[in-house]
Amino acid sequence: DIQMTQSPSFLSASLGNSITITCHASQNIKGWLAWYQQKSGNAPELLIYKASSLQSGVPSRFSGSGSGTDYILTISNLQPEDIATYYCQHYQSFPLTFGSGTKLEIK
Amino acid sequence: EVQLVESGGGLVQPGRSLKLSCAASGFTFSNYGMAWVRQAPTKGLEWVATISYDGSSTYYRDSVKGRFTISRDNAKSTLYLQMDSLRSEDTATYYCARFSDYFDYWGQGVMVTVSS
Repeated sequence: DIQMTQSPSFLSASLGNSITITCHASQNIKGWLAWYQQKSGNAPELLIYKASSLQSGVPSRFSGSGSGTDYILTISNLQPEDIATYYCQHYQSFPLTFGSGTKLEIK
Repeated sequence: EVQLVESGGGLVQPGRSLKLSCAASGFTFSNYGMAWVRQAPTKGLEWVATISYDGSSTYYRDSVKGRFTISRDNAKSTLYLQMDSLRSEDTATYYCARFSDYFDYWGQGVMVTVSS
């Protein structure tokens, strides 16, 4: 099984700043990576797929990059509505696995 | 607008069964794979099962193989998850999701509590 190691687990940042979340796969996942945002009490929502493709309707402040085993989610110009937990997920093969999540707090 | 509405959750004793349903609308259900993803209280996301657009292929995580069965009725645009021999570690919110290799739309989730 492919393990996804996500860091950091917790992140505190100021409004208007930029943050990055990283995800490391235990083997090459060839860009088959998605990022999700989950706000408290809600279902997750897709942000990014194929490592860097922005889902329709997602603000351009969100961007993804990476290849091979290492991937990054960047959120620019942090807004209050970005308070959430963020997860990465590979879809290289079954079983599909998620990272452990990054909880983002606004200072 | 894509909508996924889960139902069928509740409190069940260990060893018993429960069947979840997910009613889909707003897209051509028979064209898409579908999946179940769960989240234990205060924990992260965990993929449970996936079914192909026509139901011919199914995939499960190891911990539910032989106990859970994913199925679909394309005529009714409905996804199901039959859960047998339930364990306390199956306690979670279960989400139905449209599957395009990743999960592009999610339902609001339904809670399943396994406890005596």
